[in-house]
Amino acid sequence: EDKVVQSPLSLVVHEGDTVTLNCSYEVTNFRSLLWYKQEKKAPTFLFMLTSSGIEKKSGRLSSILDKKELFSILNITATQTGDSAVYLCAVSDHDMRFGAGTRLTVKP
Amino acid sequence: DAGVTQSPTHLIKTRGQHVTLRCSPISGHKSVSWYQQVLGQGPQFIFQYYEKEERGRGNFPDRFSARQFPNYSSELNVNALLLGDSALYLCASSFLIPGELFFGEGSRLTVL
Repeated sequence: EDKVVQSPLSLVVHEGDTVTLNCSYEVTNFRSLLWYKQEKKAPTFLFMLTSSGIEKKSGRLSSILDKKELFSILNITATQTGDSAVYLCAVSDHDMRFGAGTRLTVKP
Repeated sequence: DAGVTQSPTHLIKTRGQHVTLRCSPISGHKSVSWYQQVLGQGPQFIFQYYEKEERGRGNFPDRFSARQFPNYSSELNVNALLLGDSALYLCASSFLIPGELFFGEGSRLTVL
């Protein structure tokens, strides 16, 4: 059965810390892996990854995909309280399958 | 430019009733997808439409149905509501399949 597993489920850190969020997947026809940030309602797009080993970077956030080991990581450096959110990983094959998310809380 | 818009934002129904949720995609996007998000879980795929045709269906009962109109807006219908249908229903549009999804703010349904 296709599945997307994120870890940890929740994480509490202090401002300035660096965090690594994990996403492993098993899907039949992998097309892409996407990361989203969900603060209240609408998830907002962070990254789309299709190729192994190529890091995508946006400010303090970066992500990389390993298609051989079937996982991706999302790194956030120098965390800020505004980074507090649920981070969702989604894998696209015939449809878009989401993991349960990682709830990140950044304390001042 | 307007993002994905959904209506209503909140609604309360009782068991056995039906509900219609509406979604307007970003201008130029021809694909609309629907997701159900229960508290504490990630969004679960319900339907995807592209150019008014159903392109995918998740593991939901036949009480759930959807359609896409010529202007690419979409409706999600749920019949014979159950308590377990209480959730945030998210609509997302995309330009390509597969592609980056742009989500609306969702419709929060409460079934009493």
